[in-house]
Amino acid sequence: SQQGEEDPQALSIQEGENATMNCSYKTSINNLQWYRQNSGRGLVHLILIRSNEREKHSGRLRVTLDTSKKSSSLLITASRAADTASYFCATDNYGQNFVFGPGTRLSVLP
Amino acid sequence: DSGVTQTPKHLITATGQRVTLRCSPRSGDLSVYWYQQSLDQGLQFLIQYYNGEERAKGNILERFSAQQFPDLHSELNLSSLELGDSALYFCASSVGQGLMSGELFFGEGSRLTVL
Repeated sequence: SQQGEEDPQALSIQEGENATMNCSYKTSINNLQWYRQNSGRGLVHLILIRSNEREKHSGRLRVTLDTSKKSSSLLITASRAADTASYFCATDNYGQNFVFGPGTRLSVLP
Repeated sequence: DSGVTQTPKHLITATGQRVTLRCSPRSGDLSVYWYQQSLDQGLQFLIQYYNGEERAKGNILERFSAQQFPDLHSELNLSSLELGDSALYFCASSVGQGLMSGELFFGEGSRLTVL
Protein backbone atom coordinates (compact mmCIF):
# COMPACT_ATOMS: atom_id res chain seq x y z
CA SER A 1 0.00 0.00 0.00
CA GLN A 2 1.01 3.63 -0.13
CA GLN A 3 0.74 4.14 3.59
CA GLY A 4 2.99 6.71 5.15
CA GLU A 5 5.00 5.60 8.13
CA GLU A 6 5.96 8.12 10.76
CA ASP A 7 9.11 7.85 12.77
CA PRO A 8 9.61 7.87 15.69
CA GLN A 9 6.40 6.39 17.09
CA ALA A 10 6.82 8.50 20.22
CA LEU A 11 8.95 11.51 21.09
CA SER A 12 9.39 13.28 24.39
CA ILE A 13 11.18 16.63 24.62
CA GLN A 14 11.46 19.66 26.87
CA GLU A 15 9.70 22.92 26.18
CA GLY A 16 11.80 25.14 23.97
CA GLU A 17 13.47 22.26 22.16
CA ASN A 18 12.89 21.39 18.54
CA ALA A 19 10.92 18.30 17.54
CA THR A 20 11.54 16.44 14.31
CA MET A 21 9.27 13.77 12.92
CA ASN A 22 9.79 11.80 9.75
CA CYS A 23 7.44 10.19 7.29
CA SER A 24 8.21 7.64 4.62
CA TYR A 25 5.90 6.46 1.89
CA LYS A 26 6.02 3.90 -0.86
CA THR A 27 4.73 5.20 -4.18
CA SER A 28 4.46 8.42 -6.16
CA ILE A 29 2.33 11.13 -4.62
CA ASN A 30 0.56 14.29 -5.66
CA ASN A 31 1.04 15.93 -2.33
CA LEU A 32 1.83 15.15 1.30
CA GLN A 33 0.09 16.69 4.26
CA TRP A 34 0.73 16.81 7.98
CA TYR A 35 -2.04 16.79 10.56
CA ARG A 36 -2.17 17.14 14.33
CA GLN A 37 -4.54 15.33 16.64
CA ASN A 38 -5.06 16.21 20.26
CA SER A 39 -6.11 13.24 22.32
CA GLY A 40 -9.51 11.95 21.22
CA ARG A 41 -10.21 14.97 19.02
CA GLY A 42 -10.49 15.46 15.30
CA LEU A 43 -7.41 15.89 13.14
CA VAL A 44 -6.34 19.39 12.25
CA HIS A 45 -4.53 20.20 9.04
CA LEU A 46 -1.10 21.75 9.53
CA ILE A 47 0.58 22.03 6.17
CA LEU A 48 0.47 20.69 2.62
CA ILE A 49 3.51 20.25 0.43
CA ARG A 50 3.21 19.40 -3.23
CA SER A 51 5.39 16.89 -5.01
CA ASN A 52 7.25 19.65 -6.87
CA GLU A 53 8.10 21.51 -3.65
CA ARG A 54 11.09 20.72 -1.45
CA GLU A 55 10.46 22.83 1.62
CA LYS A 56 7.63 24.78 3.14
CA HIS A 57 7.27 26.92 6.26
CA SER A 58 4.29 27.87 8.36
CA GLY A 59 4.97 29.70 11.60
CA ARG A 60 7.07 27.38 13.77
CA LEU A 61 6.60 24.50 11.34
CA ARG A 62 9.02 23.49 8.65
CA VAL A 63 8.27 20.63 6.28
CA THR A 64 10.64 19.10 3.79
CA LEU A 65 9.91 16.64 1.04
CA ASP A 66 12.40 14.40 -0.72
CA THR A 67 10.57 12.58 -3.49
CA SER A 68 13.70 10.64 -4.48
CA LYS A 69 13.80 9.10 -1.01
CA LYS A 70 10.02 9.09 -0.65
CA SER A 71 10.28 10.83 2.68
CA SER A 72 9.19 13.97 4.46
CA SER A 73 10.06 15.58 7.74
CA LEU A 74 8.15 17.90 10.04
CA LEU A 75 10.15 20.20 12.29
CA ILE A 76 8.48 22.06 15.12
CA THR A 77 10.77 24.73 16.51
CA ALA A 78 10.72 26.10 20.05
CA SER A 79 8.19 23.51 21.20
CA ARG A 80 5.49 24.42 23.69
CA ALA A 81 3.46 22.22 26.03
CA ALA A 82 0.46 22.95 23.79
CA ASP A 83 2.23 21.13 20.94
CA THR A 84 1.70 17.85 22.80
CA ALA A 85 -0.35 15.77 20.37
CA SER A 86 -0.11 13.03 17.76
CA TYR A 87 1.17 14.04 14.36
CA PHE A 88 0.24 12.23 11.17
CA CYS A 89 1.44 12.43 7.63
CA ALA A 90 -1.05 11.75 4.88
CA THR A 91 -0.23 10.96 1.31
CA ASP A 92 -2.54 11.77 -1.54
CA ASN A 93 -3.12 8.66 -3.61
CA TYR A 94 -3.69 10.91 -6.63
CA GLY A 95 -7.01 11.95 -5.25
CA GLN A 96 -8.47 8.53 -4.71
CA ASN A 97 -8.10 8.85 -0.98
CA PHE A 98 -5.72 10.07 1.68
CA VAL A 99 -3.63 7.43 3.40
CA PHE A 100 -2.52 8.19 6.93
CA GLY A 101 0.42 6.77 8.77
CA PRO A 102 0.19 5.48 12.37
CA GLY A 103 1.41 8.80 13.73
CA THR A 104 4.06 10.14 16.09
CA ARG A 105 3.03 10.88 19.66
CA LEU A 106 4.81 14.02 20.78
CA SER A 107 5.04 14.95 24.44
CA VAL A 108 6.42 18.36 25.29
CA LEU A 109 7.33 18.58 28.94
CA PRO A 110 7.17 21.94 30.75
CA ASP B 1 -14.17 24.60 14.65
CA SER B 2 -13.63 22.78 11.35
CA GLY B 3 -17.20 23.26 10.17
CA VAL B 4 -17.73 19.50 9.93
CA THR B 5 -20.44 18.19 12.24
CA GLN B 6 -20.70 14.60 13.37
CA THR B 7 -23.45 13.02 15.42
CA PRO B 8 -23.71 11.33 17.79
CA LYS B 9 -20.51 12.13 19.67
CA HIS B 10 -20.74 9.00 21.76
CA LEU B 11 -22.64 5.79 21.21
CA ILE B 12 -22.78 2.65 23.31
CA THR B 13 -24.51 -0.39 21.91
CA ALA B 14 -24.48 -4.16 22.04
CA THR B 15 -23.05 -6.76 19.71
CA GLY B 16 -25.30 -7.60 16.80
CA GLN B 17 -26.92 -4.19 16.74
CA ARG B 18 -26.96 -1.59 13.97
CA VAL B 19 -26.05 2.08 14.25
CA THR B 20 -26.00 5.07 11.93
CA LEU B 21 -23.41 7.80 12.14
CA ARG B 22 -24.14 11.11 10.53
CA CYS B 23 -21.86 13.73 9.05
CA SER B 24 -22.55 17.22 7.74
CA PRO B 25 -19.61 18.49 5.70
CA ARG B 26 -18.23 22.00 5.73
CA SER B 27 -20.34 24.42 3.73
CA GLY B 28 -19.31 24.22 0.09
CA ASP B 29 -17.38 20.97 0.39
CA LEU B 30 -18.51 18.28 -2.02
CA SER B 31 -16.28 15.42 -0.88
CA VAL B 32 -16.88 13.40 2.24
CA TYR B 33 -14.48 10.80 3.63
CA TRP B 34 -15.01 8.29 6.42
CA TYR B 35 -12.16 7.01 8.56
CA GLN B 36 -12.01 4.55 11.42
CA GLN B 37 -9.48 5.06 14.19
CA SER B 38 -8.82 2.32 16.68
CA LEU B 39 -6.01 2.07 19.19
CA ASP B 40 -4.13 -0.68 17.45
CA GLN B 41 -4.71 0.20 13.81
CA GLY B 42 -4.33 3.93 13.42
CA LEU B 43 -6.49 5.83 10.98
CA GLN B 44 -8.04 3.56 8.37
CA PHE B 45 -9.73 4.91 5.26
CA LEU B 46 -13.20 3.49 4.75
CA ILE B 47 -14.92 5.27 1.88
CA GLN B 48 -15.16 8.55 -0.03
CA TYR B 49 -18.09 10.26 -1.72
CA TYR B 50 -18.09 13.21 -4.07
CA ASN B 51 -21.31 15.05 -4.80
CA GLY B 52 -23.41 12.01 -4.00
CA GLU B 53 -21.33 9.41 -5.81
CA GLU B 54 -18.96 6.87 -4.34
CA ARG B 55 -15.41 7.68 -5.48
CA ALA B 56 -13.07 5.47 -3.52
CA LYS B 57 -13.35 2.51 -1.23
CA GLY B 58 -10.88 1.38 1.37
CA ASN B 59 -10.95 -1.33 3.97
CA ILE B 60 -14.66 -1.11 4.57
CA LEU B 61 -16.35 -4.25 5.83
CA GLU B 62 -19.38 -5.64 4.03
CA ARG B 63 -21.33 -5.04 7.25
CA PHE B 64 -20.70 -1.34 6.79
CA SER B 65 -22.32 0.88 4.20
CA ALA B 66 -22.48 4.59 3.53
CA GLN B 67 -24.15 7.12 1.33
CA GLN B 68 -24.10 10.80 0.58
CA PHE B 69 -27.41 12.54 0.17
CA PRO B 70 -28.41 15.37 -2.22
CA ASP B 71 -27.88 17.93 0.55
CA LEU B 72 -24.31 16.49 0.81
CA HIS B 73 -24.62 15.11 4.32
CA SER B 74 -23.43 11.56 4.67
CA GLU B 75 -24.33 8.59 6.80
CA LEU B 76 -22.25 5.58 7.75
CA ASN B 77 -24.27 2.51 8.66
CA LEU B 78 -22.66 -0.18 10.78
CA SER B 79 -24.57 -3.42 11.21
CA SER B 80 -24.13 -6.75 13.00
CA LEU B 81 -21.75 -4.96 15.30
CA GLU B 82 -18.84 -6.80 16.85
CA LEU B 83 -16.61 -5.89 19.78
CA GLY B 84 -13.82 -5.08 17.34
CA ASP B 85 -15.90 -2.35 15.74
CA SER B 86 -15.41 -0.20 18.81
CA ALA B 87 -13.49 2.81 17.57
CA LEU B 88 -13.57 6.49 16.75
CA TYR B 89 -15.24 7.13 13.41
CA PHE B 90 -14.23 10.33 11.69
CA CYS B 91 -15.82 12.14 8.86
CA ALA B 92 -13.76 14.61 6.84
CA SER B 93 -14.65 16.86 3.97
CA SER B 94 -12.82 18.68 1.24
CA VAL B 95 -13.75 21.12 -1.46
CA GLY B 96 -12.94 18.99 -4.45
CA GLN B 97 -11.83 15.58 -5.40
CA GLY B 98 -9.00 13.99 -7.24
CA LEU B 99 -5.99 16.20 -7.71
CA MET B 100 -7.97 19.19 -6.44
CA SER B 101 -8.85 17.63 -3.09
CA GLY B 102 -6.66 19.94 -1.05
CA GLU B 103 -6.76 19.64 2.71
CA LEU B 104 -9.22 17.60 4.70
CA PHE B 105 -11.37 19.14 7.41
CA PHE B 106 -12.21 16.66 10.13
CA GLY B 107 -15.15 16.45 12.45
CA GLU B 108 -14.70 15.64 16.14
CA GLY B 109 -15.64 12.03 15.55
CA SER B 110 -18.22 9.59 16.82
CA ARG B 111 -16.94 7.28 19.53
CA LEU B 112 -18.60 3.90 19.21
CA THR B 113 -18.41 1.40 22.03
CA VAL B 114 -19.75 -2.09 21.39
CA LEU B 115 -20.37 -4.14 24.52
